[in-house]
Amino acid sequence: DAKTTQPPSMDCAEGRAANLPCNHSTISGNEYVYWYRQIHSQGPQYIIHGLKNNETNEMASLIITEDRKSSTLILPHATLRDTAVYYCIVRVEWGSQGNLIFGKGTKLSVKP
Amino acid sequence: EAQVTQNPRYLITVTGKKLTVTCSQNMNHEYMSWYRQDPGLGLRQIYYSMNVEVTDKGDVPEGYKVSRKEKRNFPLILESPSPNQTSLYFCASSSKLARNIQYFGAGTRLSVL
Repeated sequence: DAKTTQPPSMDCAEGRAANLPCNHSTISGNEYVYWYRQIHSQGPQYIIHGLKNNETNEMASLIITEDRKSSTLILPHATLRDTAVYYCIVRVEWGSQGNLIFGKGTKLSVKP
Repeated sequence: EAQVTQNPRYLITVTGKKLTVTCSQNMNHEYMSWYRQDPGLGLRQIYYSMNVEVTDKGDVPEGYKVSRKEKRNFPLILESPSPNQTSLYFCASSSKLARNIQYFGAGTRLSVL
């Protein structure tokens, strides 16, 4: 699996968009970008994933650069409940062995 | 409601006293997994199962056992717990068609004295 790099922490004002970056410069052509988050001591929660096109669901949007070397998770209107650690994971979708590698992630603090 | 249920949520025990943490999922998922989470070490996989009667070691299997006799259940067994197994444990499941979209339980916080 390609290595990912995320800032250790970020702050965001409540109601504003939270933009969480992830660098994955060694990503290969068949690897997807997955995002999870973990609210304090709860189980990680899947958010979204994508290959090369931008993706949107009810939780967030995922923007992947054209060269696929980086991506941004966007929470359009952050709330206090979005305070969590966000993990960016790069992985092949099919035939992958082993486990998801969560890394250290980005601790997002949403402030009133 | 789709969910992964772990029990108990909190457990305090003593060294050497066998214990089992149960995990059950209602999504008919083939893949199930156990992780432990420790400060500064992140989530580490203990064991996983690709389907009934198929289990394999993860990154930190020492001191743990698992079984997968039914598709929905994947218990984690500590035959002789030690203080270094004090941790936060998570069970997860996913379908074989979407292995990387894992659903996690709420966690079991275990303290071994």
